[in-house]
Amino acid sequence: NAGVTQTPKFQVLKTGQSMTLQCAQDMNHNSMYWYRQDPGMGLRLIYYSASEGTTDKGEVPNGYNVSRLNKREFSLRLESAAPSQTSVYFCASSKLAGVHEQYFGPGTRLTVT
Amino acid sequence: AQSVTQLDSQVPVFEEAPVELRCNYSSSVSVYLFWYVQYPNQGLQLLLKYLSGSTLVKGINGFEAEFNKSQTSFHLRKPSVHISDTAEYFCAVTASGGSYIPTFGRGTSLIVHP
Repeated sequence: NAGVTQTPKFQVLKTGQSMTLQCAQDMNHNSMYWYRQDPGMGLRLIYYSASEGTTDKGEVPNGYNVSRLNKREFSLRLESAAPSQTSVYFCASSKLAGVHEQYFGPGTRLTVT
Repeated sequence: AQSVTQLDSQVPVFEEAPVELRCNYSSSVSVYLFWYVQYPNQGLQLLLKYLSGSTLVKGINGFEAEFNKSQTSFHLRKPSVHISDTAEYFCAVTASGGSYIPTFGRGTSLIVHP
């Protein structure tokens, strides 16, 4: 099992450019999540998908969109990147939200200049 | 809504010494509690979790945590740390009956010195 995979690992964007971060899991999990991690801020939830076909906003959704493509894949799109979106982005999945632990991908380090 | 406070942003300790990383939470309902570890340039991985039952929970790598409902705490402990325990540690809480989305603390950086 590969677990949770994310692509790309690193990305540099100019302000105003767009990009999509890809995430896939092979554990047949129902719930998937996107977080951003900034120094001293811990993990902040951007969007989540409790089950295939549903998506909901988290704590910091502005400037992002998501797509739950199928049960395995959950992508995060930045339509017009801003320097404030420079961060490390983590995708995670869990069997179900709540009692089950989350499994995290290795992260995407994004820099917006 | 639930919240999590990790009281120390950084904890320096010498190798083979004991360590405690503190976590307090607030919630008006029952909670599920987790500790995750993040090694440099990696994603988070689960150390241990408390769902119900015994308040002392044992996890991987010799870590354990104790759930204290009256003090709303879930402190992480290890009796003797190794250099390899140097990492960022996150406490997370999920409240039952709600959206079941976890809230993470801001993390504690454990630095083990030789």
